[in-house]
Amino acid sequence: QSALTQPPSASGSPGQSVTISCTGTTNDIGSDDHVSWYQQHPGKAPKLIIFEVNVRPSGVPDRFSGSKSGNTASLTVSGLQADDEADYYCNSYTNNNNWVFGGGTKLTVL
Amino acid sequence: EVQLVESGGGLVQPGGSLRLSCAASGFRFSDHVMHWVRQGPGKGLVWVSRISHNAQTITYADSVKGRFTISRDNAKNTLFLQMNSLRAEDTAMYYCVRDSYWNFDFWGQGTMVTVSS
Repeated sequence: QSALTQPPSASGSPGQSVTISCTGTTNDIGSDDHVSWYQQHPGKAPKLIIFEVNVRPSGVPDRFSGSKSGNTASLTVSGLQADDEADYYCNSYTNNNNWVFGGGTKLTVL
Repeated sequence: EVQLVESGGGLVQPGGSLRLSCAASGFRFSDHVMHWVRQGPGKGLVWVSRISHNAQTITYADSVKGRFTISRDNAKNTLFLQMNSLRAEDTAMYYCVRDSYWNFDFWGQGTMVTVSS
């Protein structure tokens, strides 16, 4: 199972919006809505921020939103804040009954 | 409060074995699918294995199939990962993760495994 494709880096200034893409295949992202996104700060465990394509867990700011079109999912962070600087990973359940992550995107707040 | 506490990591020689444990608390462990996810130094997240709530369904990533065994003890609220025939490329932080409808909703802090001679 190949990793999902994410850009290695993204950046934006405080207050701006940035979108991170995650491209898979018809066997994973394109097969159902079990797509999720995780935020990881340096030295910390990952944290779930979006599940089922566009659902935010309790406590996650509405500045974070998700979407999907075909085999590509996207995470948008609006109103960028300094604390949003982190690594972001997408994940999808696959029709082979396993899970696959993207390679990760390092978000820099300029 | 949900807590997942991993243990059992360490330094092991290539070809060696380790058994990781994950002590769960703060939720009904026996109701949840559980996973192991790993992250090599400076690298991305990689899904390793899944075990259903009653251990009837188990799946592995191709990279560990035949070498790693996931198991659980619902009476002791504990998840395990037996790792045999370890290779240098297995060097990683190993996270115990709770599943919620095919998503990873709670993560432990991880235990580090280093495979080196």
